[in-house]
Amino acid sequence: DIQMTQSPSSVSASVGDRVTINCRASQEISTWLAWYQQKPGKAPKLLIYTASSLQSGVPSRFSGSGTGTDFTLTISSLQPEDFATYYCQQANSFPFTFGPGTKVDIK
Amino acid sequence: QVQLVESGGGLVKPGGSLRLSCAASGFTFSDYYMAWIRQAPGKGLEWISYITSTGSTIYYADSVKGRFTISRDNAKNSLYLQMNSLRAEDTAVYYCARERNNWNDVGDWGQGTLVTVSS
Repeated sequence: DIQMTQSPSSVSASVGDRVTINCRASQEISTWLAWYQQKPGKAPKLLIYTASSLQSGVPSRFSGSGTGTDFTLTISSLQPEDFATYYCQQANSFPFTFGPGTKVDIK
Repeated sequence: QVQLVESGGGLVKPGGSLRLSCAASGFTFSDYYMAWIRQAPGKGLEWISYITSTGSTIYYADSVKGRFTISRDNAKNSLYLQMNSLRAEDTAVYYCARERNNWNDVGDWGQGTLVTVSS
């Protein structure tokens, strides 16, 4: 199975800050990588697919990059509604594993 | 719009069984791969099973293989998860999920149904 790791596990930030979350796969997955946002008590929401494609309806302050084993989610200017937990997920081979999550909270 | 509504969750004793259902609407169900993904309380996400649009291909995570069975009824726009030999570690919110264009990520999620395995 492909193992996914994320760093940091949590980040404290202020509105307007630039936030970067990293995700690493244990083996090469090309660009088969998705990012999700989850708020407490809610289902996750797809933000980015194939590493850098923005899902319809997602604000352009979210962007993704990377290929191979190393990937990044960037929020260019953090908004109040962005405080949440973010997960990466590899879509290369089953089981489609998720990273452990990165919690973004208010500084 | 796309709607996925899970039902069937609840409290069950270890070793017991439960059947989850997911009613889909707002899209052509028979065109899409579907999945069950779970989240234990306070934990991360685990993709436990998926089924292709016709049901011809099915995968299970090792954690549920041999105990859980995924199925679908395209005529009824419904997805199912039969869960047998339940264990305490199966306690989780179970999400019904629609793959985005069948590319192994999830474009749409249900609201989730809680399964609690406890004596």
